[in-house]
Amino acid sequence: GAGVSQTPSNKVTEKGKYVELRCDPISGHTALYWYRQSLGQGPEFLIYFQGTGAADDSGLPNDRFFAVRPEGSVSTLKIQRTERGDSAVYLCASSPRTGGETQYFGPGTRLLVL
Amino acid sequence: AQSVAQPEDQVNVAEGNPLTVKCTYSVSGNPYLFWYVQYPNRGLQFLLKYITGDNLVKGSYGFEAEFNKSQTSFHLKKPSALVSDSALYFCAVRPTGNQFYFGTGTSLTVIP
Repeated sequence: GAGVSQTPSNKVTEKGKYVELRCDPISGHTALYWYRQSLGQGPEFLIYFQGTGAADDSGLPNDRFFAVRPEGSVSTLKIQRTERGDSAVYLCASSPRTGGETQYFGPGTRLLVL
Repeated sequence: AQSVAQPEDQVNVAEGNPLTVKCTYSVSGNPYLFWYVQYPNRGLQFLLKYITGDNLVKGSYGFEAEFNKSQTSFHLKKPSALVSDSALYFCAVRPTGNQFYFGTGTSLTVIP
């Protein structure tokens, strides 16, 4: 079956611009996570959705970052007024339900802010 | 503060030899523990997890991991390494709550 997909695979933008990153989770998975992975680092938690609601957004670094999941499936991570420090790979993962369930990761979106 | 440590950035092992990739953690409560593998230009793939029960957990591709509560460790092991095992390995823990914490990764190279 289809895995988690993320679009675009690569995004180059200029400092100050707005970007949207999309995640299509595995069908039927209710839990969805966003992570940021900088070079040489492990994934860093950003936000977690259970269904349509953001159950935990404590990992979002500041108010320029926002994520939505309006219908409980596709999620969009939105970054306003991008900064060079936002350059990273943004990973999305989904799992059948919350808790200790295995997360299935997408290939990531590589964001470069010039 | 919650943290996960993978003390070795790089591990080299000869093909056919046993391998160990180390992970220690410092989190509250009784966490769930995971290992993921990342191949170049691909997403993280689940290898195995420990929730409760037997301290030795078996996973995909012949990998296993041993949970040691007193040492707060969850080392990844394989009895006989393959060249195809060369990849980046991440340890992750989930304390109480929904957040997962990942280590910085260990690059494993299996030498033919």
